[in-house]
Amino acid sequence: RKEVEQDPGPFNVPEGATVAFNCTYSNSASQSFFWYRQDCRKEPKLLMSVYSSGNEDGRFTAQLNRASQYISLLIRDSKLSDSATYLCVVGAAGNKLTFGGGTRVLVKP
Amino acid sequence: SAVISQKPSRDICQRGTSLTIQCQVDSQVTMMFWYRQQPGQSLTLIATANQGSEATYESGFVIDKFPISRPNLTFSTLTVSNMSPEDSSIYLCSVASPLAGGLSGQKTNTGELFFGEGSRLTVL
Repeated sequence: RKEVEQDPGPFNVPEGATVAFNCTYSNSASQSFFWYRQDCRKEPKLLMSVYSSGNEDGRFTAQLNRASQYISLLIRDSKLSDSATYLCVVGAAGNKLTFGGGTRVLVKP
Repeated sequence: SAVISQKPSRDICQRGTSLTIQCQVDSQVTMMFWYRQQPGQSLTLIATANQGSEATYESGFVIDKFPISRPNLTFSTLTVSNMSPEDSSIYLCSVASPLAGGLSGQKTNTGELFFGEGSRLTVL
């Protein structure tokens, strides 16, 4: 079983719609959680950290469920520019970060 | 934020040769990371380049294949040795946010990594 698993997608989303997807992790001792965004042929960039209480940044909402060992990302009012691959990143002791395989999102007009 | 410059941005190499990738950061950081991203895959950490000591390699990666240099706090190189087509990949240099303790050894790592634009390597 992979340490961090994501549905690869693609999620085809009509512009203006809401899309949500999860990421599961296997290490119950994981301490930090993040969503990164990677555009085609570009380097990954931090989208948002995921806190225990959940957090929101504009149209993006991230949630953490420690009991079930998953995090989620929800995008509201999708824009064409939201089309990208979203990487789930989980940090364990020693600051080692493990990347998921990414979920590809395609927002269409 | 940190600005990271990598070169070459891309290269096409012959089997059996070696290529050295350079990574320059605009601020001093204790740790620099080298990742590999194979086609259609996510990022895999190759090693952590520590200034003043040997690099720390992850499982499946060895120094003979991926020697790393870290002569100072702003620069590192990764060499891909004796290349085969399976080494075709994007190689990414990364640093942790200096403001989050990147200089002090990541004791308070926020998890924000800054990446270079990557070096796309094709081995024929």
